[in-house]
Amino acid sequence: AQKVTQAQTEISVVEKEDVTLDCVYETRDTTYYLFWYKQPPSGELVFLIRRNSFDEQNEISGRYSWNFQKSTSSFNFTITASQVVDSAVYFCALSPNSGGSNYKLTFGKGTLLTVNP
Amino acid sequence: GAVVSQHPSRVICKSGTSVKIECRSLDFQATTMFWYRQFPKQSLMLMATSNEGSKATYEQGVEKDKFLINHASLTLSTLTVTSAHPEDSSFYICSARDDGDTDTQYFGPGTRLTVL
Repeated sequence: AQKVTQAQTEISVVEKEDVTLDCVYETRDTTYYLFWYKQPPSGELVFLIRRNSFDEQNEISGRYSWNFQKSTSSFNFTITASQVVDSAVYFCALSPNSGGSNYKLTFGKGTLLTVNP
Repeated sequence: GAVVSQHPSRVICKSGTSVKIECRSLDFQATTMFWYRQFPKQSLMLMATSNEGSKATYEQGVEKDKFLINHASLTLSTLTVTSAHPEDSSFYICSARDDGDTDTQYFGPGTRLTVL
């Protein structure tokens, strides 16, 4: 069985602060994908990143960065110099890397990030 | 690229009526689409996996006669909530897997259903 845990239900920061969203996962699959999605108040889920389990390199995209550590089954997401527009619910998700599973996603419960001006 | 649309974005209906929600992949083909339900301040719950040209696969506890899914083309899947009741009120979101990049699901903007 797959499980994704986002222990932080809500986080509130002041603009320009750095913030890290935690994600811990459980899976028996040897290969898998990890994802982060952003859900702003409008409701649409916006794809942010996909990481294959065999690629443990950290990734940076502008103010966003991701730290994947297989040893601790974590895939944390950091926003540097946060902005009000970053306010949203962020979901971490996991899927098998196997076509037979239809790549079904298992979502965490989400972290509500509020960035105050 | 990788845009998914949903229609309608909001619908209010009377109890007992049926509501159809469309999910379209606009710039890619999607053999597989997914339907989710999301309650306020909660995570997404997968309802069913929709495959073009075949019957949908429903998750445990989801009534297939209540939530009819049709995936008639590589760019369109529909979800029909039959004989809707107030407890069916929810936010319904679809996603589509790009056939050219099958490892990522792209999500539609969601449909807010309110049953009176």
